Amino acid sequence: AQSVAQPEDQVNVAEGNPLTVKCTYSVSGNPYLFWYVQYPNRGLQFLLKYITGDNLVKGSYGFEAEFNKSQTSFHLKKPSALVSDSALYFCAVSPRTGNTPLVFGKGTRLSVIA
Amino acid sequence: GAVVSQHPSWVICKSGTSVKIECRSLDFQATTMFWYRQFPKQSLMLMATSNEGSKATYEQGVEKDKFLINHASLTLSTLTVTSAHPEDSSFYICSARVPGGAGNEQFFGPGTRLTVL
Repeated sequence: AQSVAQPEDQVNVAEGNPLTVKCTYSVSGNPYLFWYVQYPNRGLQFLLKYITGDNLVKGSYGFEAEFNKSQTSFHLKKPSALVSDSALYFCAVSPRTGNTPLVFGKGTRLSVIA
Repeated sequence: GAVVSQHPSWVICKSGTSVKIECRSLDFQATTMFWYRQFPKQSLMLMATSNEGSKATYEQGVEKDKFLINHASLTLSTLTVTSAHPEDSSFYICSARVPGGAGNEQFFGPGTRLTVL
């Protein structure tokens, strides 16, 4: 069975500092990996995805994530955090075969403090 | 990019009434849509997979007679919460997958906040 772990419920970072939101996964074979962001009372917005190719994926709003196959991780990063980045972040995984839905981590709340 | 809409964005109803939530893919045809439920400060819980022209596939523990799903066209799936009770109050989110899209990406609607009094 596939699963996603986001070990941190909350991440606090000062504005201008780099941020990292951690994600590890368990899935058979090579997965598709995603990051989504959710603002209060809103749906999920797509940030970035890894399908194949370069392990470093660049996405929206200056975010990037690195696929590490040996560590089965896909941590989300940003070099310089903004207060407006404060939101709930979800990591998700999908196997490459079949039409199965994404499996989500529990989410990590990011607070960027001015 | 692919856009998914939901209607209504919020609804308040009395206990015992039924509520219908619509999920539409605006610029693509979606053979598969998904319905999720999200409790405050928690992750998304998959309720069911909605397939156009066939019965929905419900996740374990989700009552199919309670949460009726109809995917009557390639752009519309509906979720009806029948005889709603306060414990059904939640944030309901739908998503759709672009057929043949790379990476099994899902596009999400903005969500519907249901409050049952």
